[in-house]
Amino acid sequence: DAMVIQNPRYQVTQFGKPVTLSCSQTLNHNVMYWYQQKSSQAPKLLFHYYDKDFNNEADTPDNFQSRRPNTSFCFLDIRSPGLGDAAMYLCATSRAMANEQFFGPGTRLTVL
Amino acid sequence: DQQVKQNSPSLSVQEGRISILNCDYTNSMFDYFLWYKKYPAEGPTFLISISSIKDKNEDGRFTVFLNKSAKHLSLHIVPSQPGDSAVYFCAAFTGGGNKLTFGTGTQLKVEL
Repeated sequence: DAMVIQNPRYQVTQFGKPVTLSCSQTLNHNVMYWYQQKSSQAPKLLFHYYDKDFNNEADTPDNFQSRRPNTSFCFLDIRSPGLGDAAMYLCATSRAMANEQFFGPGTRLTVL
Repeated sequence: DQQVKQNSPSLSVQEGRISILNCDYTNSMFDYFLWYKKYPAEGPTFLISISSIKDKNEDGRFTVFLNKSAKHLSLHIVPSQPGDSAVYFCAAFTGGGNKLTFGTGTQLKVEL
């Protein structure tokens, strides 16, 4: 089945220790997104890639970076995680200009 | 500034009855609306959508109504089933863009 896969599902890191979250897709979609969702809050878009073009949201902290080495994979790098970065991180994909986004299961990040 | 609002964090209904989930928005540029359903430990999955040129869209037990003048949409589930118990997110698009703006979600519990 075509899908969006996120690894790991649960990640524990220490305050200030860099961490990388991974997303892959078998849907061959042009667009890949990273969302942050904190408890009882709406998922918040951090950035997205339209093919190789990176689009950062204005309020995304510099601490968050992303890489998309190819169509299938996209990474979220948190350079120096703070306690406030503990959240669920959701990856999603869509076809270009399509309204529907397909989500992965998310990675739950804990910062100690 | 929360542009998509779901003011009821939770809703409980009996099996077989109608579930009505509400969503309000403030941005008049939104022209496409979606409902996502999320089970614990899974990513959101697309449920149903509606374009701003319509006022109703139906898919099986799920119907979405849009009242543009009131900037309000609702999701009706009839009849409700225990498997419908999940968090429901309302989301909105601005035409031509890739950005989904989510509400904070409503936890639906369908009781036997």
